[in-house]
Amino acid sequence: DAEITQSPRHKITETGRQVTLACHQTWNHNNMFWYRQDLGHGLRLIHYSYGVHDTNKGEVSDGYSVSRSNTEDLPLTLESAASSQTSVYFCASSETGAEQYFGPGTRLTVT
Amino acid sequence: AQRVTQPEKLLSVFKGAPVELKCNYSYSGSPELFWYVQYSRQRLQLLLRHISRESIKGFTADLNKGETSFHLKKPFAQEEDSAMYYCALAGFGNEKLTFGTGTRLTIIP
Repeated sequence: DAEITQSPRHKITETGRQVTLACHQTWNHNNMFWYRQDLGHGLRLIHYSYGVHDTNKGEVSDGYSVSRSNTEDLPLTLESAASSQTSVYFCASSETGAEQYFGPGTRLTVT
Repeated sequence: AQRVTQPEKLLSVFKGAPVELKCNYSYSGSPELFWYVQYSRQRLQLLLRHISRESIKGFTADLNKGETSFHLKKPFAQEEDSAMYYCALAGFGNEKLTFGTGTRLTIIP
């Protein structure tokens, strides 16, 4: 069955380290999104992509980057992790005009 | 700029009682509105979208453009409705979503 997966599911890292969160979908969707979920803020869009080699900044993109080298993957990189980036991160994908399908989430703690 | 407001962070309702989760939005064009739900230990999933006009798990939501609202309603709450509910908006022709801050619904047995 087609699905969307994220890895790792839990990650603890230190301030200043580079961290990459993986997102992989097997639906062949063109659109992929990264959100962070924080209490009191709901889900906020970090970056998104509408196809291979396309990337766009979302509402809270500072300190994050993404690259899209194929249809299936959109890794999210924290260049230099900060305590403010402790959060739960969700990846999602969709086909044009359709609902977004979400991954299980990655809980990141920056100490 | 587009904005979604869910005024209630927490809502507790007795089983069998009616449920209404409020959602108001701000958008200058024609929006598309959604409700997403996240049950305990599960991933976020679409509950319903206004263009489909469906009733899912007994929930309905009507887009009121005059009041810029998209409230989620269910006439008789069930224990399995306990979850986190997010209202979301997509601008016309836009794929990305703007989410509200969410409402945690607890159904009291």
